Amino acid sequence: QSVLTQPPSVSAAPGQKVTISCSGSSSNIGNNYVSWYQQLPGTAPKLLIYDNNERPSGIPDRFSGSKSGTSATLGITGLQTGDEADYYCGTWDISLSAYVFGTGTNVTVL
Amino acid sequence: QVQLQESGPGLVNPSETLSLTCAVSAGSINNYYWTWIRQPPGKGLEWIGYIYYSGSTIYNPSLKSRVTISVDTSQNQFSLKLSSVTAADTAVYYCARLAHPYNSGWFFDYWGQGTLVTVSS
Repeated sequence: QSVLTQPPSVSAAPGQKVTISCSGSSSNIGNNYVSWYQQLPGTAPKLLIYDNNERPSGIPDRFSGSKSGTSATLGITGLQTGDEADYYCGTWDISLSAYVFGTGTNVTVL
Repeated sequence: QVQLQESGPGLVNPSETLSLTCAVSAGSINNYYWTWIRQPPGKGLEWIGYIYYSGSTIYNPSLKSRVTISVDTSQNQFSLKLSSVTAADTAVYYCARLAHPYNSGWFFDYWGQGTLVTVSS
């Protein structure tokens, strides 16, 4: 059972914007950087955002991240069919002494 | 571009030990953390543990009693052993590089393609 909670699914039309929330606590998000991963169907996860809001080289600026208190948010603007995937947040949990992932959110482009 | 490739048996008998190896290419294993992550079919990601190139390890407390991660810097690879497996350990197992730059967080920047391990007799 994950300690980071995400909505099971979000959806929007092409070109629109979606946001995915990741809710945690003071032992994880509240005191550590958050990263986000995109998992396209049948593939390995890929790093999308690290250190709350930094994008690795090659990740378009349509993807953005933010953090406030014990929650983090991933935003995707200009939604494309190629963005249909599962998205996971993740961070280190001080109390568990373990890296924890969110429950995952499936993005559907209508 | 660092590349990782998992290898090992795709089928393991219940109560036996699951063994996987991750070969790292186009980059050195030195000076980095290396990790194993798994994903049961249709479910989310679960972090198993990490090893620093020097050999120090941290394991997920939920698996700690059954997990051993080791590193072979001469072969540029690291390995996972999970003992006393049950059907609940059936999953796609990923190896990944765990980045932790100075004054930064922890994140997985390079991943293997994953390998499905089924626990069944």
